[in-house]
Amino acid sequence: DVKVTQSSRYLVKRTGEKVFLECVQDMDHENMFWYRQDPGLGLRLIYFSYDVKMKEKGDIPEGYSVSREKKERFSLILESASTNQTSMYLCASSTGTPNPYEQYFGPGTRLTVT
Amino acid sequence: QKEVEQDPGPLSVPEGAIVSLNCTYSNSAFQYFMWYRQYSRKGPELLMYTYSSGNKEDGRFTAQVDKSSKYISLFIRDSQPSDSATYLCAMSPDNYGQNFVFGPGTRLSVLP
Repeated sequence: DVKVTQSSRYLVKRTGEKVFLECVQDMDHENMFWYRQDPGLGLRLIYFSYDVKMKEKGDIPEGYSVSREKKERFSLILESASTNQTSMYLCASSTGTPNPYEQYFGPGTRLTVT
Repeated sequence: QKEVEQDPGPLSVPEGAIVSLNCTYSNSAFQYFMWYRQYSRKGPELLMYTYSSGNKEDGRFTAQVDKSSKYISLFIRDSQPSDSATYLCAMSPDNYGQNFVFGPGTRLSVLP
């Protein structure tokens, strides 16, 4: 059974803290993604990675960085957390061809920054 | 104008009703069209997909794509309380599995 796991389901951090969100997939997928999901705005892409050590900015990369040192692991880093980064963060992975339709999502991390 | 638009709902229907969920889009390059279902406190899961225009049926679910109108639909027949979820449309211009654009989602409640 395919699986994407995220390190925490709920996280509460203070403004200015450095925050690490971890994502691991066991499907040997090349592509991995970080999204944030906010009511009315849907899923917005923060960063994605198509290979180890490779990354591309998404639609809203400001205030975030990522790291992919191993194929199965993709980390999202909030360098200095701010209250407007309170959100649901979703990690996903995909393989593209022969299955270009599917991204597999983790359960999400609900981050609250106070 | 957002690249993909979707009525956020919420949409409440009685059990057994036919549900129609819709998305419009502006980018004519989209070729791959998907519907994801997201239950509360879970990540989205792929429900249906189609390539280019046409219809696809899977049990109680039918996905339709009208590229000339830039409009996609998901129909749910004989809706069940277990169909209560948020439905997100997604689109991609290529088969790399990377360039997905998601709609904001429609929250559906099917009442027993």
